[in-house]
Amino acid sequence: GAVVSQHPSWVICKSGTSVKIECRSLDFQATTMFWYRQFPKQSLMLMATSNEGSKATYEQGVEKDKFLINHASLTLSTLTVTSAHPEDSSFYICSARDASVGGNEQFFGPGTRLTVL
Amino acid sequence: TQLLEQSPQFLSIQEGENLTVYCNSSSVFSSLQWYRQEPGEGPVLLVTVVTGGEVKKLKRLTFQFGDARKDSSLHITAAQPGDTGLYLCAGASIMYSGGGADGLTFGKGTHLIIQP
Repeated sequence: GAVVSQHPSWVICKSGTSVKIECRSLDFQATTMFWYRQFPKQSLMLMATSNEGSKATYEQGVEKDKFLINHASLTLSTLTVTSAHPEDSSFYICSARDASVGGNEQFFGPGTRLTVL
Repeated sequence: TQLLEQSPQFLSIQEGENLTVYCNSSSVFSSLQWYRQEPGEGPVLLVTVVTGGEVKKLKRLTFQFGDARKDSSLHITAAQPGDTGLYLCAGASIMYSGGGADGLTFGKGTHLIIQP
């Protein structure tokens, strides 16, 4: 149980293009999902909290127009990196909370490695 | 801003030795979680501690939550090469009420290498 998937696993794109990353909870419903980014040899940094049916909440320093988040259903959140640039290259990881379980345990997806040329 | 200081950042030891990883903060957390991450993969939850002073065991791994819920430790007994990985502690905000949710605050991680 508590499986979270991400698609794609990795993506390489040209500078200036937009990239969409999907995060799905496969066997549970998630009213809240989280998006993190991780640079090499570093820890995870929370980018934004994705709430089903409402606007995402972004952490300080994260541009909401640059990183568009859509949480259209209880099992899917998407992160779109708009007009990507090389400095956006990173490992993007999503997590989800099981809405039927109390507490704040989060289950993580396998991550998406984005490389912007 | 809640910060978690994790130490050591890097640790390389021989198979069979014991080790302890520490996670400290000046903030109180409602719960604290330990994850293990392999290169190129997402973190995998090892344990969640909620109650101050709580001790949980997972085979050769022992997790402890400080009495004040500000710190935690992970102790590995008789480390094996398969224990190699990045260990992350993460705290949930004390403000979490159950009606909403907060993202986790992560420590910087401990890169652990167990040499055969």
